[in-house]
Amino acid sequence: SAVISQKPSRDICQRGTSLTIQCQVDSQVTMMFWYRQQPGQSLTLIATANQGSEATYESGFVIDKFPISRPNLTFSTLTVSNMSPEDSSIYLCSGRGGGADTQYFGPGTRLTVL
Amino acid sequence: GDSVTQMEGPVTLSEEAFLTINCTYTATGYPSLFWYVQYPGEGLQLLLKATKADDKGSNKGFEATYRKETTSFHLEKGSVQVSDSAVYFCALAHSGNTPLVFGKGTRLSVIA
Repeated sequence: SAVISQKPSRDICQRGTSLTIQCQVDSQVTMMFWYRQQPGQSLTLIATANQGSEATYESGFVIDKFPISRPNLTFSTLTVSNMSPEDSSIYLCSGRGGGADTQYFGPGTRLTVL
Repeated sequence: GDSVTQMEGPVTLSEEAFLTINCTYTATGYPSLFWYVQYPGEGLQLLLKATKADDKGSNKGFEATYRKETTSFHLEKGSVQVSDSAVYFCALAHSGNTPLVFGKGTRLSVIA
């Protein structure tokens, strides 16, 4: 299994600012994903983080709002840009090994935008 | 596309009661099926999984059987504890590069 850490674990931000969330995996994974979980809701996939190339975004999510980097196999960042209160959510990083179907999750970053 | 449907919550049970959370899926091919659990204030943890028809996944007293004929993967536990209070997510995935597809989640509250 993979152990995934995220930081910060939580933050309170002002509208119009940006926050970068870091995700570190303890072993190499082929796939990394970023999810959003709005209060009381299920998980929504934001994008697949691709190593060394642009992330693949799901419908409704764009690079200008959620830029993602993945410089190597074990590290990725998600930035939430120009935040508004509607961005208040838990953001979760997830990793999956090559050929394996099990995904592992980080503890999440709880973001509150005032 | 693929989808997962879970029973609506919240579910409230007394300690030592029997638990069933229904989950059905729609998918092409033969996906793997999962149950994840999210305890209050925490991220998702893998609870159990099954990778082919008739497989039974089990962990911490929970179990679920992959039923291809009914496209179901219902979660059961014979005797719940207060510490089982959490949100439970059913999910599926195909091998390769596709991410998990989640159900909406079912909140379970167990009272002493």
